[in-house]
Amino acid sequence: DIVITQSLLSLAVTPGEPASISCRSSQSLLHSDGYNYLDWYLQKPGQSPQVLIYLGSNRASGVPDRFSGSGSGTEFTLRISRVEAEDVGVYYCMRSLQTRTFGQGTKLEIK
Amino acid sequence: QVQLQESGPGLVKPSETLSLTCSVSGGSMKAYYWSWIRQSPGRGLEYIGYVDYGGSTNYNPSLKSRLTISIDTSANQFSLKLSSVTAADTAVYYCAGLGATATYHFYYYLDVWGRGTSVTVSS
Repeated sequence: DIVITQSLLSLAVTPGEPASISCRSSQSLLHSDGYNYLDWYLQKPGQSPQVLIYLGSNRASGVPDRFSGSGSGTEFTLRISRVEAEDVGVYYCMRSLQTRTFGQGTKLEIK
Repeated sequence: QVQLQESGPGLVKPSETLSLTCSVSGGSMKAYYWSWIRQSPGRGLEYIGYVDYGGSTNYNPSLKSRLTISIDTSANQFSLKLSSVTAADTAVYYCAGLGATATYHFYYYLDVWGRGTSVTVSS
């Protein structure tokens, strides 16, 4: 089975500072079509998850440009250029190749 | 804007069948792959499976032997049935829609979500 690992369980960031969240897959998520089949979701407190990034690096509609995704193969990163208070919640990566599988989540808190 | 609402019993006895329905409003059912996801403290977020407009399904292999996802397009609903439940199936169950991206029409992500419904398996 492909395992998706988010090694950082939580991080606390000062508003206005950047944040990075990593995600690792036990097998490559780079499809033969050249795209990385990995999404990022944010679950704000008391809400359902919402998509932020798809295909590794593409922002979904309406997502602020302070969010960016990078990486390829087995290593991926979600970056927030300047954290805002509304960004608190749990960030999940999810592989979308074959059986969709979520990482364990990384909780972002404000300092 | 498509909206989803889960419904079903909040309490199910062990060994029985968990049944949930998701009602879809505000859009066409043809545009999405209709999915179920669950979330529990022990297992985190777990993708259960999906059904498309024509009734074709794709299931998580770990649940496949107990799982049925179906669609009723006339009622704008799709449903989940999970048999032989145990306490490990206790979770918040979300219905969601996999929608195609505007730029990459071959790719689908979880675009719309219901608010989730809590299901406890207990006698």
